[in-house]
Amino acid sequence: AQKVTQAQTEISVVEKEDVTLDCVYETRDTTYYLFWYKQPPSGELVFLIRRNSFDEQNEISGRYSWNFQKSTSSFNFTITASQVVDSAVYFCALSEAGAGANSKLTFGKGITLSVRP
Amino acid sequence: EAGVAQSPRYKIIEKRQSVAFWCNPISGHATLYWYQQILGQGPKLLIQFQNNGVVDDSQLPKDRFSAERLKGVDSTLKIQPAKLEDSAVYLCASSPGYGELFGETQYFGPGTRLLVL
Repeated sequence: AQKVTQAQTEISVVEKEDVTLDCVYETRDTTYYLFWYKQPPSGELVFLIRRNSFDEQNEISGRYSWNFQKSTSSFNFTITASQVVDSAVYFCALSEAGAGANSKLTFGKGITLSVRP
Repeated sequence: EAGVAQSPRYKIIEKRQSVAFWCNPISGHATLYWYQQILGQGPKLLIQFQNNGVVDDSQLPKDRFSAERLKGVDSTLKIQPAKLEDSAVYLCASSPGYGELFGETQYFGPGTRLLVL
């Protein structure tokens, strides 16, 4: 069965600090997809990134970067020069693509990030 | 492009009462999902529709929860009778549902916050 672990529950940083959110996953499939979503206080889940299991290239988008390492089953998310608007709950999620799979997302428990001015 | 719409945004009911939630997905999206998010946890899939057919309802408590998507567009999720443990945020999401069927990016609505007293 697929599983996503976000061991950090709450992180508090001061504005402009860099912060890394960890995500470890478990799956028996060789083809799968990993996602990060942001949930601000308004409650809506905002899509940030999608990666498939065959693409281990790291990605950078502005202040956001993602490090995907299949060897350690990790898909970590780094925010550089954090801002108060980054305060939210961040979820890592996994979608399997093997036989019998659908697009169901399995989420971790989320990491609450607080960025103080 | 309009996002996923949900209503109501908030609902307070007493246990044993019934309640219904409505979702309108992104235009043209064939796949629709209902998730339950209990406080402090990640969302959990309740039911997935492909057009008006059910793809996965394995985690839907069918003795009290029901869902339908009659014309393959809007969907309603009903709880009858509600229990205290049903207090949660109910999130609706949609994805295109064609071409690459696995690992599609899901786009979420703002959710309905349900409190059962």
